[in-house]
Amino acid sequence: DAGVTQSPTHLIKTRGQQVTLRCSPKSGHDTVSWYQQALGQGPQFIFQYYEEEERQRGNFPDRFSGHQFPNYSSELNVNALLLGDSALYLCASSLAGLVYEQYFGPGTRLTVT
Amino acid sequence: AQSVTQPDIHITVSEGASLELRCNYSYGATPYLFWYVQSPGQGLQLLLKYFSGDTLVQGIKGFEAEFKRSQSSFNLRKPSVHWSDAAEYFCAVGEDDYKLSFGAGTTVTVRA
Repeated sequence: DAGVTQSPTHLIKTRGQQVTLRCSPKSGHDTVSWYQQALGQGPQFIFQYYEEEERQRGNFPDRFSGHQFPNYSSELNVNALLLGDSALYLCASSLAGLVYEQYFGPGTRLTVT
Repeated sequence: AQSVTQPDIHITVSEGASLELRCNYSYGATPYLFWYVQSPGQGLQLLLKYFSGDTLVQGIKGFEAEFKRSQSSFNLRKPSVHWSDAAEYFCAVGEDDYKLSFGAGTTVTVRA
């Protein structure tokens, strides 16, 4: 049973650039959440997607956007990158009926220089 | 909005000794509570969860946690620590708006 997968593993970008991160949920899961984890901190909720729509959003600017595809996979896009966007980006999947029981992928380490 | 507090930033424990990690939350209703573990450079692995019922919950890797409503706590315990338990541990609470709110984490170091 494949777990949550994310790509790429690592990414280095320059300030002002745009980045797209990808996530495939655990088999059978239909809900995807994205979290940002800065160094030494706990994960912070960015947003959650269900039925290809953004269901809930955390306290992140509009530079952060996402998408969910019909096969439940998801993308996180960040525009106009800032140095402060450097972090580990975690994707978590769940079932809509058990939305709090979230299973996390290994994350994408984004470094902005 | 609710919050999660993990009072201990770093704990060092000897291999074979017991471990207890503290977690306090602020939330009006009965919360959904979780403990996750994160090894260096890895994602988060769910150790255990509490939704309702028995306040003592068992998890993977020999961990257990106890929900105490009167103290707004959900402390994680393990009777005998192994060197492989060295990691970062996060307590999390499920909020009404579908998201998980995490504490800042506790780093556990295991000494031989």
